[in-house]
Amino acid sequence: LAKTTQPISMDSYEGQEVNITCSHNNIATNDYITWYQQFPSQGPRFIIQGYKTKVTNEVASLFIPADRKSSTLSLPRVSLSDTAVYYCLPSPRPGRRALTFGSGTRLQVQP
Amino acid sequence: NAGVTQTPKFRVLKTGQSMTLLCAQDMNHEYMYWYRQDPGMGLRLIHYSVGEGTTAKGEVPDGYNVSRLKKQNFLLGLESAAPSQTSVYFCASRGSDPYNEQFFGPGTRLTVL
Repeated sequence: LAKTTQPISMDSYEGQEVNITCSHNNIATNDYITWYQQFPSQGPRFIIQGYKTKVTNEVASLFIPADRKSSTLSLPRVSLSDTAVYYCLPSPRPGRRALTFGSGTRLQVQP
Repeated sequence: NAGVTQTPKFRVLKTGQSMTLLCAQDMNHEYMYWYRQDPGMGLRLIHYSVGEGTTAKGEVPDGYNVSRLKKQNFLLGLESAAPSQTSVYFCASRGSDPYNEQFFGPGTRLTVL
């Protein structure tokens, strides 16, 4: 299984752009990279998923370089409500059935 | 759609007692999962199911049993609860496409005294 490494915690202020980088040196060829968000006392929620280059949705952008050994989740203009834990993990490729969660990155947004 | 629901939301048990946690999903998903999350930690997979009538062990299966008699329900049982099983339990489901996202329930907070 591809092992991921993320910063344990990050601090930011409202209105700033936040970039969380995750390293996954031994990611498998067929794996996508998926990011989940978890608020206190709630289950994780899917944010974004990508394979290579850049993906953008209404919530975030995901940058994956050509070597795919890392990925960066970008949250534009964060607000207090973005305070959460963010998990980066390889998506289950065909044949693998479950996700492997690490400890994630705890983002604290200050006013 | 209610998505993924879990029953109960909270429970306190004494050591040695048994209980069953119920997970239900209304999205016709094939795959269902049970995770536990200890304070400050990520989620760890307990058991999962790839379809009605099937179950498989995850990363931390000891002390738990599961059943998937109906496609929409996935039950997690603790036969003899131990304080080490104090945790928050999350159920999740996803469709059969391997790149589908997992949908998580709201969690069950279990305390074993």
